[in-house]
Amino acid sequence: EAEVAQSPRYKITEKSQAVAFWCDPISGHATLYWYRQILGQGPELLVQFQDESVVDDSQLPKDRFSAERLKGVDSTLKIQPAELGDSAMYLCASSPTGGRDYEQYFGPGTRLTVT
Amino acid sequence: GNSVTQMEGPVTLSEEAFLTINCTYTATGYPSLFWYVQYPGEGLQLLLKATKADDKGSNKGFEATYRKETTSFHLEKGSVQVSDSAVYFCALGTTDSWGKLQFGAGTQVVVTP
Repeated sequence: EAEVAQSPRYKITEKSQAVAFWCDPISGHATLYWYRQILGQGPELLVQFQDESVVDDSQLPKDRFSAERLKGVDSTLKIQPAELGDSAMYLCASSPTGGRDYEQYFGPGTRLTVT
Repeated sequence: GNSVTQMEGPVTLSEEAFLTINCTYTATGYPSLFWYVQYPGEGLQLLLKATKADDKGSNKGFEATYRKETTSFHLEKGSVQVSDSAVYFCALGTTDSWGKLQFGAGTQVVVTP
């Protein structure tokens, strides 16, 4: 069964350092999502790609966060510099295409701790 | 804006008990509604969905009915097992959001033997 891959699974970094997360969606899925899940809360969308184009980054803190999906396949989310408040689970999801009816398939997530 | 409200947890039940998790929503247009489940140490996975009013989603003994008149999508299971212990998230997706999901805060369910 195809799965969404994410790495690393866990990351500890110091405040003001740079950190990057990688996601490989299910093959053939055009839509890729990055969510942030703070402990005890539901996931919140950071950025959504349709192929290589960003279609929604309204909640992405663009002064420190960046995301890319250069060839429309895998994706990288970067934080520079990291702040204490960035400690959270970062989830990647993919779906065959965008649209409200389609199931999103989630990866296992990267748990970030900023010290 | 769109929002989802779930009952707070944790909900603690004995095995074979009846489970209900309340979910209400606010949305423009006609959203699709979802329940996702997150087992310990894992990512979210879709449990069930409904895409229009009066639809019933069902899977693994869980059911939820899309009630437009009460803007609700309550999750139910008649007889829970220890393996149902997880965090359950209600979510909605709207036609103007390219599939972006708006999640509730999640409800932790603990089932004891």
